[in-house]
This record gives sequence, structure tokens and C-alpha cells, in this order.
Amino acid sequence: LAKTTQPISMDSYEGQEVNITCSHNNIATNDYITWYQQFPSQGPRFIIQGYKTKVTNEVASLFIPADRKSSTLSLPRVSLSDTAVYYCLVGDSRGSSASKIIFGSGTRLSIRP
Amino acid sequence: ETGVTQSPTHLIKTRGQQVTLRCSSQSGHNTVSWYQQALGQGPQFIFQYYREEENGRGNFPPRFSGLQFPNYSSELNVNALELDDSALYLCASSFRDRVDEQYFGPGTRLTVT
Repeated sequence: LAKTTQPISMDSYEGQEVNITCSHNNIATNDYITWYQQFPSQGPRFIIQGYKTKVTNEVASLFIPADRKSSTLSLPRVSLSDTAVYYCLVGDSRGSSASKIIFGSGTRLSIRP
Repeated sequence: ETGVTQSPTHLIKTRGQQVTLRCSSQSGHNTVSWYQQALGQGPQFIFQYYREEENGRGNFPPRFSGLQFPNYSSELNVNALELDDSALYLCASSFRDRVDEQYFGPGTRLTVT
């Protein structure tokens, strides 16, 4: 199982772009990188997933360098509602067992006016 | 919001009692996973069910058990409650071959006194 390391917390301001980096030095060939967002007293919400290079959706972008040992979640023009905990997960995306899906402690993002 | 629902929202139990938590999966999903989330921590995988059978288990004792029904809804049962069982219990549904993309319910907050 690939272990991930991400900052415990980050602060930013409304309208700024926020980049959260996750390290996963032991990522395996079949592993995908997935990010979840969690608001207080709610379940995590799937944000984005990628294998290599860049993935973009309506919520965020995910940048993955060629060596895949890290990834960066980019949130454009954040608002107060983006205040949440963000989890980086690494695992065999097309696997069938959730036991391989490991949530760490996440990054607590605080957005200020 | 996802289509995953959980009941009850909150629950208070006494040490030694038993509790049953319920989850309805998002329409079309055939796999359900349960997680325990302590305050300030990421979700910890308890077990996963597919076709009404346990299909993967985390590091939780046998007093944590579950059921999945033909309509893919699920129950989590915890016997002989301990104080450390106080946590947010999350249910997540997915397709069997895409457990990395899970849809979480809002959770049940269990307090054991």
C-alpha cells in the first residue's frame, strides 16, 4: 500500500488559487491518485482522480509529474465554502477491495475573507 | 449530495450495549463499505460487502459485523460497545470495480457513555 504524506493544514484567502501537494514515493504501477473533500459532520466527497499528467474537472485540477511520486490538487479561485479537509489517496483504482483505500489525516484547508 | 442515506443521524448508547446502524446505497451501486472516523482523523475502513457477503475487512474486532440486503442496503452492528467506539460511522457505496470512487452518506454520530 502506497503511503501518502500531505500538509496537516493550509490557509488562504478568497479568490486565490490553492495548491495542495501530496507525496507518494512508493506508488505502484497500477495505482491511481484520488482526492476527496470532507466538510465537518459530512462524509467525504470524491473530487478528482488521475493516473498521470493533468486532469481537470469543474471543481479542480490534478497535476501529476512523470515520476508520479507526488501530485498536486489545484483549486482555482477558492471561496469560503472550500474550507474543508482534503484527502489524497493512492491505490489500485480498478480494484475491488476498499481495504486498499487508505485515508490519511488529510489537509485542513482554511479560507479567509 | 450523494444518494446515500444513513440512519439514525445521532445515537447515544451505554457501554456494553449493542447498536445497529443503517445505510441505503446510491441507486445502481452494488458494493457498500463502512468506515469509522474518530474526531480529527481520517476515515478508517471497517469492512466491505458485495452480493450480501463480506468482501474485505479492516483491523476491527469481530464484534463489528454487518449485513447487506438484496437491494444493496446495509447494516453495521456493533456489540459490547466500548467508550472508544464513539465516532462518526460512514457508509459508502460504489461499483464493485471502482471502490476508489465511493459515494459517502452523511454518517451516524455514535456516542458511547
